[in-house]
Amino acid sequence: NAGVMQNPRHLVRRRGQEARLRCSPMKGHSHVYWYRQLPEEGLKFMVYLQKENIIDESGMPKERFSAEFPKEGPSILRIQQVVRGDSAAYFCASSPGQSANTGELFFGEGSRLTVL
Amino acid sequence: AQSVAQPEDQVNVAEGNPLTVKCTYSVSGNPYLFWYVQYPNRGLQFLLKYITGDNLVKGSYGFEAEFNKSQTSFHLKKPSALVSDSALYFCAVRDRGGGSYIPTFGRGTSLIVHP
Repeated sequence: NAGVMQNPRHLVRRRGQEARLRCSPMKGHSHVYWYRQLPEEGLKFMVYLQKENIIDESGMPKERFSAEFPKEGPSILRIQQVVRGDSAAYFCASSPGQSANTGELFFGEGSRLTVL
Repeated sequence: AQSVAQPEDQVNVAEGNPLTVKCTYSVSGNPYLFWYVQYPNRGLQFLLKYITGDNLVKGSYGFEAEFNKSQTSFHLKKPSALVSDSALYFCAVRDRGGGSYIPTFGRGTSLIVHP
């Protein structure tokens, strides 16, 4: 049973380019979460999605960042016009639907974005 | 609102000695509490959780944690540390009755176990 799959594992972009990070949740999981990790800052919540719905995007910057979780295919975190401050590790996590959810999240290995 | 504090950025312990990684939390209602471990360049792995029942929770790799409601704490412990336990440890909390499925994580504590 494959775990949470994230790709790419490493991504290098120049300032002004776009970054697309993909996340396939664990089989049977319908909730996806994106977190950003910066050194010395811990893990910061960005956005929480269910299939075709954004449930909570309170942690995501209003400009340049967007996320989706379509009916078919992986969840996508998109960063437009990247800046150096976007360099970080981005983690996706998944959990089952509400009736089966006992709280813990299952994390992918992360996508490490470097902006030159 | 919910929050987690991990007051120590780093904990150093000698191999074979007991270890404690501290965590305190704040929620409006009752908490779900979690510990995760992160090895270098990897994702977070779930270690253990407290939902209800016994205050002492046992988890993976010999770790345990004690829920203390009066002190709003959920410290992670292990009787005898291994060098391989060296990693970054995150405490997380979720308000059980809040309707949100979004856990809040602490800043992490780096555990270094010396041979």
